[in-house]
Amino acid sequence: DARVTQTPRHKVTEMGQEVTMRCQPILGHNTVFWYRQTMMQGLELLAYFRNRAPLDDSGMPKDRFSAEMPDATLATLKIQPSEPRDSAVYFCASGSDNSPLHFGNGTRLTVT
Amino acid sequence: AQKITQTQPGMFVQEKEAVTLDCTYDTSDPSYGLFWYKQPSSGEMIFLIYQGSYDQQNATEGRYSLNFQKARKSANLVISASQLGDSAMYFCAMRDLTLDSARQLTFGSGTQLTVLP
Repeated sequence: DARVTQTPRHKVTEMGQEVTMRCQPILGHNTVFWYRQTMMQGLELLAYFRNRAPLDDSGMPKDRFSAEMPDATLATLKIQPSEPRDSAVYFCASGSDNSPLHFGNGTRLTVT
Repeated sequence: AQKITQTQPGMFVQEKEAVTLDCTYDTSDPSYGLFWYKQPSSGEMIFLIYQGSYDQQNATEGRYSLNFQKARKSANLVISASQLGDSAMYFCAMRDLTLDSARQLTFGSGTQLTVLP
């Protein structure tokens, strides 16, 4: 079964530190999404790539967050510097045009 | 702008009974897709079922079926013969299929389903 792989599964870090989350989309999928899930806000879109090009990152705080796809097998989401309010579960999802998105298991980030 | 509304924060159902989870949506786009995802307590997001706006028949997938009423803009999920393992958070989501830049998945707030033994 092909699946989206996210690393790390859990990350605990101190405020001010850089955090890098990685995602390996399903082979052949041309769209990659980053979502953040919190109890208060639910699922929020942070960034969206299609054919590795960023199409929408309006949901992402630009001053501290950055998302990239250096190649078709890797998407990264970085937070620098991290803050306690960034604590959340970060999901990566991939899909093809007009197909369901398949989600990774998420990275649970805790910033102290 | 797209909007998904799930009005039931929590639902209870007796094991082996059917349950309907409500979802209404709002969009001005002619072509869109509707999705349901399940999120158990372990946290992963599991795709359940998909309905395209131009699909003539309601989608079905095993014990899951989607009651799609386009004129009412509703896409309710029906789970038949509930099982204890169905206890989870359920999210309705929509995706505009018209524009590249708008193909994000917009989620509702979710419904927490508890199946009682």
